[in-house]
Amino acid sequence: EAGVAQSPRYKIIEKRQSVAFWCNPISGHATLYWYQQILGQGPKLLIQFQNNGVVDDSQLPKDRFSAERLKGVDSTLKIQPAKLEDSAVYLCASRRLAGEENEQFFGPGTRLTVL
Amino acid sequence: DAKTTQPNSMESNEEEPVHLPCNHSTISGTDYIHWYRQLPSQGPEYVIHGLTSNVNNRMASLAIAEDRKSSTLILHRATLRDAAVYYCILRGFSGGYNKLIFGAGTRLAVHP
Repeated sequence: EAGVAQSPRYKIIEKRQSVAFWCNPISGHATLYWYQQILGQGPKLLIQFQNNGVVDDSQLPKDRFSAERLKGVDSTLKIQPAKLEDSAVYLCASRRLAGEENEQFFGPGTRLTVL
Repeated sequence: DAKTTQPNSMESNEEEPVHLPCNHSTISGTDYIHWYRQLPSQGPEYVIHGLTSNVNNRMASLAIAEDRKSSTLILHRATLRDAAVYYCILRGFSGGYNKLIFGAGTRLAVHP
């Protein structure tokens, strides 16, 4: 079974530029998550999708961050414009079904550096 | 959201057992206890989870206190590959959909 795929793996941009990350979850997984992990900290949930609908975006800085999951499969996370404090690893995870006690599978992450 | 408390770091020698503690005194009756670990430069990976009873799988064992206010992840024979940050997480609900809230975790060093 293929794992969660993310691209790019690394990205360097200047502040005020825009950037987008892509995630392809495990086939058949209904729930998709985006996390932000700042160096030395645990991952912080930004947004959670159930199929193509948002069920939790309470921690997403909506003035600059946006995410979508068209057709309930792939997802993109965008930052526009980026700030220095957005430097972090952005992790995508997926889970088979909500309502069941099962695990999340994480991708390798995208390391973003904002200069 | 209920919180967990873990030591910042622990050390072990290869092939010895490792007991990673976690305190969660504000746990509610419906909270599951999950453990994930994160190897260097990788995303977190699931280790084990439980509700009330002790659990075993191929990776580790989870011992849950009778009052559920603490738990211990047990690696029976540590290997160098087990060097990672280990997160103890209480799985709570948000609007009917569960989510994981990660803390800082315990950084485990394994010495040859």
